[in-house]
Amino acid sequence: QVQLQESGPGLVKASETLSLTCTVSGGSIRSYYWSWIRKSAGKGLEWMGRIYTSGNTNYNPSLKSRVTMSVDTSKNQIFLNVRSVTAADTAVYYCARGPTGVIEYWGQGILVTVSS
Amino acid sequence: QSALTQEVSVSGTVGQKVTLSCTGNTNNIGSYAVGWYQQVSHGSPKTVMFGNALPSGIPDRFSVSMSGTTSSLTVSGLQPEDEADYYCSTWDYSLSAVVFGGGTKLTVL
Repeated sequence: QVQLQESGPGLVKASETLSLTCTVSGGSIRSYYWSWIRKSAGKGLEWMGRIYTSGNTNYNPSLKSRVTMSVDTSKNQIFLNVRSVTAADTAVYYCARGPTGVIEYWGQGILVTVSS
Repeated sequence: QSALTQEVSVSGTVGQKVTLSCTGNTNNIGSYAVGWYQQVSHGSPKTVMFGNALPSGIPDRFSVSMSGTTSSLTVSGLQPEDEADYYCSTWDYSLSAVVFGGGTKLTVL
């Protein structure tokens, strides 16, 4: 069974860069789309972007200027960077796998709080 | 404002059948598979419908149907553990992005 585990700092200072890692076990990350999705308090799920293991990316237009995703197939890991964070970036961040538009597997999520 | 429109809330009694809808347009739901996800309070989302497929472990009380640019998730024989927020998603060709609905809060009375 494929398992996804997010890791990274739970607290980030405003204006700095949020960096998260998703480690995949139970299967290879090759030949799949990997997405980052977040949920802020009181709001719904927000898709941030996705990366294919070839390195091709698609980003949410509203976040495109601040988000970068990458992969390390040798370590079965996917990475997320969000630059210039504000309090609005406080959320639970999920790593997820799925083909076009549909999510099949979800990570357990990691809470990231942006402090002023 | 979400690209996909869902009811804010739906309620039903134990044993009842309820239907949640997810409406988009020809750039998204009308052209691509739709996923449905269940999120209970403080938990991670769980996929309850993967296109037309029921993932392993999801009871067959969950089913999905399509009509034009609307996907509908039906829960038959509603159970207390079905109380959760439900979200839909698909690909949007014009945005080149995955789009989510705003979510529906399902309450089991």
